[in-house]
Amino acid sequence: EAGVVQSPRYKIIEKKQPVAFWCNPISGHNTLYWYLQNLGQGPELLIRYENEEAVDDSQLPKDRFSAERLKGVDSTLKIQPAELGDSAVYLCASSKRGTGELFFGEGSRLTVL
Amino acid sequence: AQRVTQPEKLLSVFKGAPVELKCNYSYSGSPELFWYVQYSRQRLQLLLRHISRESIKGFTADLNKGETSFHLKKPFAQEEDSAMYYCATQGGDSSYKLIFGSGTRLLVRP
Repeated sequence: EAGVVQSPRYKIIEKKQPVAFWCNPISGHNTLYWYLQNLGQGPELLIRYENEEAVDDSQLPKDRFSAERLKGVDSTLKIQPAELGDSAVYLCASSKRGTGELFFGEGSRLTVL
Repeated sequence: AQRVTQPEKLLSVFKGAPVELKCNYSYSGSPELFWYVQYSRQRLQLLLRHISRESIKGFTADLNKGETSFHLKKPFAQEEDSAMYYCATQGGDSSYKLIFGSGTRLLVRP
């Protein structure tokens, strides 16, 4: 079975440009997470979905970040406009509802110049 | 608020030596505790969880509620154990939020 799939793996953009990341979770996993991981830090939750509903987006900087999970399957995370400080790895993970066993994608590494 | 502290950024040991990766948590209630691992060029994955009480790849972790700790231990480290290790906690409320520590890099020298 395929794991969590993320794209692109790497993205380099100039500041003020928009960028989008895509995630396809494991089939049957209702819960989807977007985490941000800065260099030398642990993952920090940006947003969590239960099916198509965003149930925890308190850490998402809503002035420039947005996310959607239409139809409760795959998800997109967008940044517009990107800032230098957004350079990081964006991790997507999925799980069965209520469990702490998350399955992670390989991540999307963003570099903002 | 939930918080996970991993005081060591880097732990270097020789092959065959015992290993203890420290993790302390703050949470009022009965959290679930986990250890995740990320080997070089691989994705982050679950190593073990306290409720299962399993030994995975020779690693064990005991939840000490009095000291609010969940240290990861292995009696004899192997070179293939070299990786980033993250302690994580999930609250007992309905949020199911998984909070990670900042991670410890374990380097096992030959």
